[in-house]
Amino acid sequence: AQKITQTQPGMFVQEKEAVTLDCTYDTSDPSYGLFWYKQPSSGEMIFLIYQGSYDQQNATEGRYSLNFQKARKSANLVISASQLGDSAMYFCAMREGGSQGNLIFGKGTKLSVKP
Amino acid sequence: DSGVTQTPKHLITATGQRVTLRCSPRSGDLSVYWYQQSLDQGLQFLIQYYNGEERAKGNILERFSAQQFPDLHSELNLSSLELGDSALYFCASSLTADRGEAGIMNTEAFFGQGTRLTVV
Repeated sequence: AQKITQTQPGMFVQEKEAVTLDCTYDTSDPSYGLFWYKQPSSGEMIFLIYQGSYDQQNATEGRYSLNFQKARKSANLVISASQLGDSAMYFCAMREGGSQGNLIFGKGTKLSVKP
Repeated sequence: DSGVTQTPKHLITATGQRVTLRCSPRSGDLSVYWYQQSLDQGLQFLIQYYNGEERAKGNILERFSAQQFPDLHSELNLSSLELGDSALYFCASSLTADRGEAGIMNTEAFFGQGTRLTVV
């Protein structure tokens, strides 16, 4: 079974609008962390936001927020006020507490921002 | 700039050959991870080293090996290369990754820019 599922291969959003990228995860470990990374066409992986399994509040970082619904095992990324530079691949990833720290990635969502 | 340096950025080689990819982690980071990103398999964890010792193995082929040196830089060796080994190889580093330290779960992994390997 996949541990990280991103069901949207591609998404379009109008510039200045908000967009939600979906991510569901599967783990039996009570301690885990959830990460979102951005990969522009140049290829580098850029860390965006982190949510810990014990965190009471949803994480926010500037225009990025994470809609964490623990019971549903979902960790959706919300990007507000989309910009043209947000066009990229977005990866959801999980680190389990029992692991040595490696990340398990979803297959990614390609976001295209339209002017 | 993440502070993680990978060389070379691009590599083209023939089937059957051997190549070495190099990674210098961020200053102070003890843990190095190698990932492979291919079109069909996505991003997959290969192997992790912590302070010179192998800590975890993922989907790493027997033809592949890695090591971490005393100065903490790491090398990923790929041998008997096949067309299917063509991929983007990432190195990532983080401060620590000791087992059971849930308090450091939020330690983000800083990624290098990757080495794009093309096997022809």
